[in-house]
Amino acid sequence: GAVVSQHPSRVICKSGTSVKIECRSLDFQATTMFWYRQFPKQSLMLMATSNEGSKATYEQGVEKDKFLINHASLTLSTLTVTSAHPEDSSFYICSAPGQGLYEQYFGPGTRLTVT
Amino acid sequence: EDKVVQSPLSLVVHEGDTVTLNCSYEVTNFRSLLWYKQEKKAPTFLFMLTSSGIEKKSGRLSSILDKKELFSILNITATQTGDSAIYLCAAPGGSQGNLIFGKGTKLSVKP
Repeated sequence: GAVVSQHPSRVICKSGTSVKIECRSLDFQATTMFWYRQFPKQSLMLMATSNEGSKATYEQGVEKDKFLINHASLTLSTLTVTSAHPEDSSFYICSAPGQGLYEQYFGPGTRLTVT
Repeated sequence: EDKVVQSPLSLVVHEGDTVTLNCSYEVTNFRSLLWYKQEKKAPTFLFMLTSSGIEKKSGRLSSILDKKELFSILNITATQTGDSAIYLCAAPGGSQGNLIFGKGTKLSVKP
């Protein structure tokens, strides 16, 4: 099946710094990728939709200036958490729709801890 | 607004028990319902259901969809400690075609 990778899998950073998370579709092209966030003991919540060749679409309540998304190519989307704060500590997961109408492929996730 | 609701939120059973996890949904232009198992990392795919009344089965897990009553169940028979996880139900929805997730059911299987 299709594979989506994420890097890094785990990152610890200091408050005020920026962190970049990469999401790659390894064996297929993805014009759209989704970025989800999962806080402890909560479900996955969509943050934004990354679109190749156009601006990302952010969900209500997600600051676009804080969570910068760049869909650089048909196989790469990046999420940059700028000026990270401890409350940004979370599990970030990307997914990409597959060729099948209903398929979605998840990356392995990135656990961000901001100290 | 599209939504997916799971119950119970948490369940503790002993090995060998059978469990039923519930998922109800309200999704405009419903296309499919998906079940995932999440342990420590990203969710892993279990089932995709698109048609009512057709049971999907994989080993001790099975699932069925009722499009009239807008719900699905996930059954696990003869549970094992390795079944301990969060089980997520999701449906494609929203304006972007993203998955809308329920809050999940945390299953703990005790030896």
